[in-house]
Amino acid sequence: QSVLTQPPSVSGAPGQRVTISCTGGSSNIGAGYDVHWYQQLPGTAPKLLIYANTLRPSGVPDRFSASKSGTSASLAISGLQAEDEADYYCQSYDSSLRGVFGGGTKLTVL
Amino acid sequence: QVKLVESGGGVVQPGRSPRLSCVASGFSFTSYGMHWVRQAPGKGLEWVAVISHDGSEKYYADSVMGRFTIARDNSKNTLYLQMNSLRAEDTAVYFCAKVIVGSTWGSFDYWGQGTLVTVSS
Repeated sequence: QSVLTQPPSVSGAPGQRVTISCTGGSSNIGAGYDVHWYQQLPGTAPKLLIYANTLRPSGVPDRFSASKSGTSASLAISGLQAEDEADYYCQSYDSSLRGVFGGGTKLTVL
Repeated sequence: QVKLVESGGGVVQPGRSPRLSCVASGFSFTSYGMHWVRQAPGKGLEWVAVISHDGSEKYYADSVMGRFTIARDNSKNTLYLQMNSLRAEDTAVYFCAKVIVGSTWGSFDYWGQGTLVTVSS
């Protein structure tokens, strides 16, 4: 049982837009801690996709965007491409000074 | 460029005490907090522990508190995870990860390739 809740799976056709939600609580996202997003391709280490709620590291396409509101956050991927098929995780911290992850969302490009 | 290389994994008997290492290069290791994150086979990511840049602050997940110890040797650019009293549920790939800014907390901009620890008799 992960502290942050994500949908197990989402899917979309090439070119479409999908969103992945990340729901926390008053001790983590709702307490003001930033949310970060990672993309993990099979058999590889996670890759930072979005940090500090909305910021993209250098090299991440602007097709990836994110937002945060209250106790939740969301990741949006527009112009879906086959290479976007991966697992996506949200991450934050809680007031007990521990890291917390979402359970992960598997994105399937149809 | 930034590189994190973990080692120390393998097949370990329950109750044994292996130590994982993560050798860092390509950045000022002494300026960054470092974390361990694990991933059980076919499962999601689980945060394990964090250590501040100077080793003065350490925090652990409840699942490993009292059994695992995070440490660092800044003279060797190396992060450690001492794992004691291992259980079957500790079987996972263990990743070390660097914090994006010169802080203990934040996102993880670089990850190692991971080292697999399999707890089995």
